[in-house]
Amino acid sequence: DAKTTQPPSMDCAEGRAANLPCNHSTISGNEYVYWYRQIHSQGPQYIIHGLKNNETNEMASLIITEDRKSSTLILPHATLRDTAVYYCIVRVGGGADGLTFGKGTHLIIQP
Amino acid sequence: NAGVTQTPKFQVLKTGQSMTLQCAQDMNHEYMSWYRQDPGMGLRLIHYSVGAGITDQGEVPNGYNVSRSTTEDFPLRLLSAAPSQTSVYFCASSYNYRNTEAFFGQGTRLTVV
Repeated sequence: DAKTTQPPSMDCAEGRAANLPCNHSTISGNEYVYWYRQIHSQGPQYIIHGLKNNETNEMASLIITEDRKSSTLILPHATLRDTAVYYCIVRVGGGADGLTFGKGTHLIIQP
Repeated sequence: NAGVTQTPKFQVLKTGQSMTLQCAQDMNHEYMSWYRQDPGMGLRLIHYSVGAGITDQGEVPNGYNVSRSTTEDFPLRLLSAAPSQTSVYFCASSYNYRNTEAFFGQGTRLTVV
């Protein structure tokens, strides 16, 4: 699995868009970018994943650069409940056969 | 559809005791796994299974045993608990295809004294 680099913490004002970056310069052609989050020591929750095209679902958008060496997770209208640790994971599959979690980004939404 | 259910939610053990952490899923997922999370750290993989009767070791398997006799259940056994095994344990499952999302249980908080 390719290594990822994320900032340890970020702040965002409630109601604004939260943009969380992730660097994955050694990503391989068949590796996907996955995002999970963990709210206050609960079990991690899947957010979104993508290969090279931008993706959007009801929770977030994922923007992957053309060279695929970095990506940004966007929470369009952050709420206090979005305060969590966000993990960027790069691997061929996102299944429960071995996800590698780093320390992630602690996103704090400020009222 | 309950998803991934872990029991117990909390447990205190004495050093040397053994116990089994239970994990069950009702989504007919083939893949299941166990992680531990120590304070301020990300999750680390202990063991995983890609189907009934098939298990494999993850990053930190020492001191733990697993078996997968049914699709639904994936218990984690601590053979002789040590204070270093004080942690929060998460079970996860996913469908059989690798390019998919994993579902996590709510965790078991284990303290070994």
